[in-house]
Amino acid sequence: KQEVTQIPAALSVPEGENLVLNCSFTDSAIYNLQWFRQDPGKGLTSLLLIQSSQREQTSGRLNASLDKSSGRSTLYIAASQPGDSATYLCAVTSGGSYIPTFGRGTSLIVHP
Amino acid sequence: GAGVSQSPSNKVTEKGKDVELRCDPISGHTALYWYRQRLGQGLEFLIYFQGNSAPDKSGLPSDRFSAERTGESVSTLTIQRTQQEDSAVYLCASSSHGGGHAEAFFGQGTRLTVV
Repeated sequence: KQEVTQIPAALSVPEGENLVLNCSFTDSAIYNLQWFRQDPGKGLTSLLLIQSSQREQTSGRLNASLDKSSGRSTLYIAASQPGDSATYLCAVTSGGSYIPTFGRGTSLIVHP
Repeated sequence: GAGVSQSPSNKVTEKGKDVELRCDPISGHTALYWYRQRLGQGLEFLIYFQGNSAPDKSGLPSDRFSAERTGESVSTLTIQRTQQEDSAVYLCASSSHGGGHAEAFFGQGTRLTVV
């Protein structure tokens, strides 16, 4: 059974810092890994999707990397802004099951 | 539609009543997922539909929970004889196909409160 862990659980940083959020998974036989953000009381917004054959994906100030062999992904946020404050969730879709398994998320606060 | 739509956005119900939650996936998306998110907790898988295949119901927590989907359109999640522990946000997602490679898109969720 796939297990997904996100570290740290919470993070508070001043505006302008570069950040790294971590996601680890136990079963490396994955189809893809997807990063989401969730604002309080809202649904999930897709940020980046990395297929199993890819090493990284970039969108604006966000860069996500994938290392299947070590069971890890990182989400890099450059020049953080208060508007980046949200919970960031990692989801892994594994071989044998087409159902994304989620981590508990990293709650990020970027203060001015 | 432009995105996944869920209704109602909020539902308050009395313990013991039945509730029905609705999800309209993105047009053309064959895969549809329901998740539950309790306060301060992660996303808990409930049920998965893919095209006309039999749904994967392995995440439903009890026989009070059921879900239906007609073809590749609307899905409804029904909770019978609601309990206070059913209070949570129920999230629906769809993707363009199953098979594990497609991006999943979520709705805004239905916040269910059982009093």
